[in-house]
Amino acid sequence: GAGVSQSPRYKVAKRGQDVALRCDPISGHVSLFWYQQALGQGPEFLTYFQNEAQLDKSGLPSDRFFAERPEGSVSTLKIQRTQQEDSAVYLCASSRQLFSGANVLTFGAGSRLTVL
Amino acid sequence: QKEVEQNSGPLSVPEGAIASLNCTYSDRVSQSFFWYRQYSGKSPELIMSIYSNGDKEDGRFTAQLNKASQYVSLLIRDSQPSDSATYLCAVPNSGGYQKVTFGTGTKLQVIP
Repeated sequence: GAGVSQSPRYKVAKRGQDVALRCDPISGHVSLFWYQQALGQGPEFLTYFQNEAQLDKSGLPSDRFFAERPEGSVSTLKIQRTQQEDSAVYLCASSRQLFSGANVLTFGAGSRLTVL
Repeated sequence: QKEVEQNSGPLSVPEGAIASLNCTYSDRVSQSFFWYRQYSGKSPELIMSIYSNGDKEDGRFTAQLNKASQYVSLLIRDSQPSDSATYLCAVPNSGGYQKVTFGTGTKLQVIP
């Protein structure tokens, strides 16, 4: 597609519910990042995929967070047993760069998660 | 020490003035540096990149890099109310797949 598409744009969950957030990156972009952005803060790194391989998940805050990109295109971020501190905007970004050169990120519009 | 540090602001400047936004980073071997602009409720968008020491100009924007001081800045000349946004400094890790680390952002308010 022309841009990075994320869905849903808004999600309200009751504490303890599971949620799934979807990211459809720009076609051909090898790299895919997930970031979490709390109100008034910068984006915080969660995880990185190179094609279907999850090369870095060091930013995932707990084992309740899980991400996948099974076919190297669409990615899903799943949060199990949501807690109020999970409320944030979840940003997906993709890049065509691999290792060399600069990783210029194109962001999706984000998924705003509110946990009640 | 955080990897990328910015003053959160808000930084208020009158319309037509120069806005100066600053960022320091901890990874001495970082090679590339980016400024993203984020309007309220929107996602970040790239506005400037810089790789070499010195200045890089693009229209009303000038990025300045001093690797020895681990310092990168963004100057916005002739500031307009439409420049009011949060400006995020981003630094990819050196080597590997270049995980991109963002600062907390500086909120800029341009007063008409």
